[in-house]
Amino acid sequence: DADVTQTPRNRITKTGKRIMLECSQTKGHDRMYWYRQDPGLGLRLIYYSFDVKDINKGEISDGYSVSRQAQAKFSLSLESAIPNQTALYFCATSEIAGKYNEQFFGPGTRLTVL
Amino acid sequence: AQSVAQPEDQVNVAEGNPLTVKCTYSVSGNPYLFWYVQYPNRGLQFLLKYITGDNLVKGSYGFEAEFNKSQTSFHLKKPSALVSDSALYFCAVRDYNTDKLIFGTGTRLQVFP
Repeated sequence: DADVTQTPRNRITKTGKRIMLECSQTKGHDRMYWYRQDPGLGLRLIYYSFDVKDINKGEISDGYSVSRQAQAKFSLSLESAIPNQTALYFCATSEIAGKYNEQFFGPGTRLTVL
Repeated sequence: AQSVAQPEDQVNVAEGNPLTVKCTYSVSGNPYLFWYVQYPNRGLQFLLKYITGDNLVKGSYGFEAEFNKSQTSFHLKKPSALVSDSALYFCAVRDYNTDKLIFGTGTRLQVFP
């Protein structure tokens, strides 16, 4: 979805480095999510935010932190990257009104940790 | 806890034939079910959802899904497959308490000419 953008699209880094992945959206949605995708495991939720002041851990938050700088921006940080954090990372958004609305995904960031 | 299962890692079908991608769910309460598709080097795209009402849900690109409460299934279907339908398909359920999406492991659909 072009309304949800992620930077960078690809990143190669070394073990121990600090990495930030950024997500921006122009959909005006309150809710934002970070997922990682690994082959055979599907998508797993890392963190989610229902508004600027609300940050929640997902099922695999260890080793990650997030910052919700504004309604439109949600960043994911790896303070000290390790090889098993090599994955495809997706940001998503959804509306708060209409409890059962679908989520809209960004194009993903492919992260490789050497 | 809510969960979905996609029992097939890959489904192969000839172009023009009907296709089915299977999904079963486990929820406490009413299920809110979704299908997404992921094309190569792209993010996930929403196909369709079941919230309530008719058991046959129609979605994007000619796809539909059949909700079956007795079999706890939500299989994705298309009457006539196209080569361009080849992609990775994910079933998901919305967690009743937290409003998060819980995804299956994905099924790769390969449509052969």
